[in-house]
Amino acid sequence: NAGVTQTPKFRVLKTGQSMTLLCAQDMNHEYMYWYRQDPGMGLRLIHYSVGEGTTAKGEVPDGYNVSRLKKQNFLLGLESAAPSQTSVYFCASSWVGAQPQHFGDGTRLSIL
Amino acid sequence: TQLLEQSPQFLSIQEGENLTVYCNSSSVFSSLQWYRQEPGEGPVLLVTVVTGGEVKKLKRLTFQFGDARKDSSLHITAAQPGDTGLYLCAGARADGTASKLTFGTGTRLQVTL
Repeated sequence: NAGVTQTPKFRVLKTGQSMTLLCAQDMNHEYMYWYRQDPGMGLRLIHYSVGEGTTAKGEVPDGYNVSRLKKQNFLLGLESAAPSQTSVYFCASSWVGAQPQHFGDGTRLSIL
Repeated sequence: TQLLEQSPQFLSIQEGENLTVYCNSSSVFSSLQWYRQEPGEGPVLLVTVVTGGEVKKLKRLTFQFGDARKDSSLHITAAQPGDTGLYLCAGARADGTASKLTFGTGTRLQVTL
């Protein structure tokens, strides 16, 4: 039972580098989300998708882009990484909006 | 603007003690969820409350949704080391932004022997 799988689990980048975080879910969920988690701030929504081919901005979208070309995959891109983007990134999915979400185990990203 | 404030932010107690975690907002939510997150893992759903005044029990955990659906509490009876973790509340707004959840700031609980 894979659920939600995030790759990679850890990554260190230099300022200005780019990278893509991959999220895959095998539950046929329509909705997918990308969050960042920083100490004392809970989970903040970066971008989300309500179905294949759709994306929408969340609370903190600046500096990130996303794509949902296939229903099961949701990609988060950093075009030019900045130290302020050092965080733990979580992907989640759900059947419908705002319903209980299933989370991956996170990607710990450090930007030097 | 953080719409959901949790208190306390940190809590360190001994095994066997009782505790209550609060989740407060000035906004009305159509439902509220509680998650627990352990180190190195993603949050895992504990419960969803939907009706104002609703009380749900999960073994030693009791969850309550406020009558006005603006706040919630989590009470743990006779805490055990296995209860250690980060507790997050998350609300579904009642104003039509139904595609997403708003997460609270989190309460980090440590239960020692």
